Amino acid sequence: AQSVTQLGSHVSVSEGALVLLRCNYSSSVPPYLFWYVQYPNQGLQLLLKYTSAATLVKGINGFEAEFKKSETSFHLTKPSAHMSDAAEYFCAVIHSGGGADGLTFGKGTHLIIQP
Amino acid sequence: EPEVTQTPSHQVTQMGQEVILRCVPISNHLYFYWYRQILGQKVEFLVSFYNNEISEKSEIFDDQFSVERPDGSNFTLKIRSTKLEDSAMYFCASSERGHEQYFGPGTRLTVT
Repeated sequence: AQSVTQLGSHVSVSEGALVLLRCNYSSSVPPYLFWYVQYPNQGLQLLLKYTSAATLVKGINGFEAEFKKSETSFHLTKPSAHMSDAAEYFCAVIHSGGGADGLTFGKGTHLIIQP
Repeated sequence: EPEVTQTPSHQVTQMGQEVILRCVPISNHLYFYWYRQILGQKVEFLVSFYNNEISEKSEIFDDQFSVERPDGSNFTLKIRSTKLEDSAMYFCASSERGHEQYFGPGTRLTVT
């Protein structure tokens, strides 16, 4: 079984400050990991993915995440927050063996950007 | 850029009624999924579909749910006898080779 824990249901940062959203996973087999963003009243948009290639993954909108197997973590970062980054962010895991498996999501982190 | 579409965007139904939620996956994708998100909760996997049959399903996906790919483009989720607790946002997703899934905008189902 696999699971995802996102620390902090709400994270507030000032515009221009570093964004750090935490995600820890558990998986009995090598995982694939994803970050999705959900803007108000919209669907889930794929931000970035880790699929066992480079451990530092770059995504859209200036976000990146680093896979750390020893820490079972996949934290999402952005050097400088913009007001437009305000949204709900979900970390998700799937094990690498099954193409038809469903994603297991964390509970989400609501990112608030202070002007 | 190709995208997953879903209709309707909002469906209101009475308890006990049947509803069909529709999705058009990205055209060259082979894997299809349904998820739901109850208000304020996390996104939960319901079912995956590949090669014209269900591949995986969660414990949520009981006998009141069914999925179908009636033609080459649509993918549907049917809820046979809706309950109040079925009120949620339902997301369809598709994937070309599995794993990397692209989501539609969702259908908000309200059961009264």
